[in-house]
Amino acid sequence: IAGITQAPTSQILAAGRRMTLRCTQDMRHNAMYWYRQDLGLGLRLIHYSNTAGTTGKGEVPDGYSVSRANTDDFPLTLASAVPSQTSVYFCASSLQGGTGELFFGEGSRLTVL
Amino acid sequence: GQNIDQPTEMTATEGAIVQINCTYQTSGFNGLFWYQQHAGEAPTFLSYNVLDGLEEKGRFSSFLSRSKGYSYLLLKELQMKDSASYLCAVLDSNYQLIWGAGTKLIIKP
Repeated sequence: IAGITQAPTSQILAAGRRMTLRCTQDMRHNAMYWYRQDLGLGLRLIHYSNTAGTTGKGEVPDGYSVSRANTDDFPLTLASAVPSQTSVYFCASSLQGGTGELFFGEGSRLTVL
Repeated sequence: GQNIDQPTEMTATEGAIVQINCTYQTSGFNGLFWYQQHAGEAPTFLSYNVLDGLEEKGRFSSFLSRSKGYSYLLLKELQMKDSASYLCAVLDSNYQLIWGAGTKLIIKP
């Protein structure tokens, strides 16, 4: 089934540890995004990529890094996790960058202790 | 700054009609989107408005007034499965999506 796959679904992590959230899409979409969703707040963009080989910073990029080596994969790395990074992380894609019709993965629930 | 306002929570009765409002103040406007998000699940696209007026799609309709910075999502013949959060988002002048915090809709039998 075409779509976006995220892994892991949930993870508990000790502060200071490194963590990579994986995201893969098979829709051949050019643009991919990482959002975090926290209670009472709207989705906040962490990083995005409009095409393979390019990435950009979103609203809340500090403490996170991404890479886009190919069209399908867009991993998000927390170099040294902190408790404020406890959140639900959604990966999304769209056919082109700068459009609003996004397709979301099922989310990764991350708890940093 | 950029801002999108929606009610935090609404309650409605099965079979009834409910209107969820969204007001926005953004730097530029390139379209307004509504998404549905069931608890514990991913958001899914519902509708897109870029011109003033009403867009109807089955039981759901979305309205836009650009001069007023206002949109609403209208849900008719409510079903229990419509219990979800409804997210309003605006594409600004830089083609970045600005998201509201969402409206949690509770449907009662």
